[in-house]
Amino acid sequence: ELKVEQNPLFLSMQEGKNYTIYCNYSTTSDRLYWYRQDPGKSLESLFVLLSNGAVKQEGRLMASLDTKARLSTLHITAAVHDLSATYFCAVDMAGTASKLTFGTGTRLQVTL
Amino acid sequence: EPEVTQTPSHQVTQMGQEVILRCVPISNHLYFYWYRQILGQKVEFLVSFYNNEISEKSEIFDDQFSVERPDGSNFTLKIRSTKLEDSAMYFCASSATSGGAGEQFFGPGTRLTVL
Repeated sequence: ELKVEQNPLFLSMQEGKNYTIYCNYSTTSDRLYWYRQDPGKSLESLFVLLSNGAVKQEGRLMASLDTKARLSTLHITAAVHDLSATYFCAVDMAGTASKLTFGTGTRLQVTL
Repeated sequence: EPEVTQTPSHQVTQMGQEVILRCVPISNHLYFYWYRQILGQKVEFLVSFYNNEISEKSEIFDDQFSVERPDGSNFTLKIRSTKLEDSAMYFCASSATSGGAGEQFFGPGTRLTVL
């Protein structure tokens, strides 16, 4: 059974600081997604990582994938309050129609 | 920009009642999914659907659950006899392809409250 773990589960950081969220998964996969969820809202796609060594950046967020280590990271640079949300990684297992196995989520709170 | 829509946004029902949650996937997408999220917890896969049949389902998706694509646009999730523990946010998602670049786009969710 695929397990996807994120750490930390909760992160409180000041504006302007940098931090990294980690996503570990237990079974070989080369497809990983990052989503953002605001309270009471749906899941917004942030990054799609489809191969080992993939790196994608959008604004203050950068995601990377190391399939050999079964690890993805979401790096936050110079955090701003608007980034406060819960961030989920999700691993896609190959199959007839892919199902996503989500991580536990990291609740990020950026304080002024 | 095309998006997945879901109705209703909030459904309150009594235990033992049947509910139908509705989704309209993105129009050219072929793969459809239901996920649920119990309050404060992670998102869990329920079922995937392709070519008018279930592709895969999780242990959560027992005989009380069913899915249907009754016409060319709607995709529904039915819970026959709701239990208290069915209270959750239910998300529909769709993708154009499977795996690879088959990014899944999520709808806004239906919050189901079972009393």
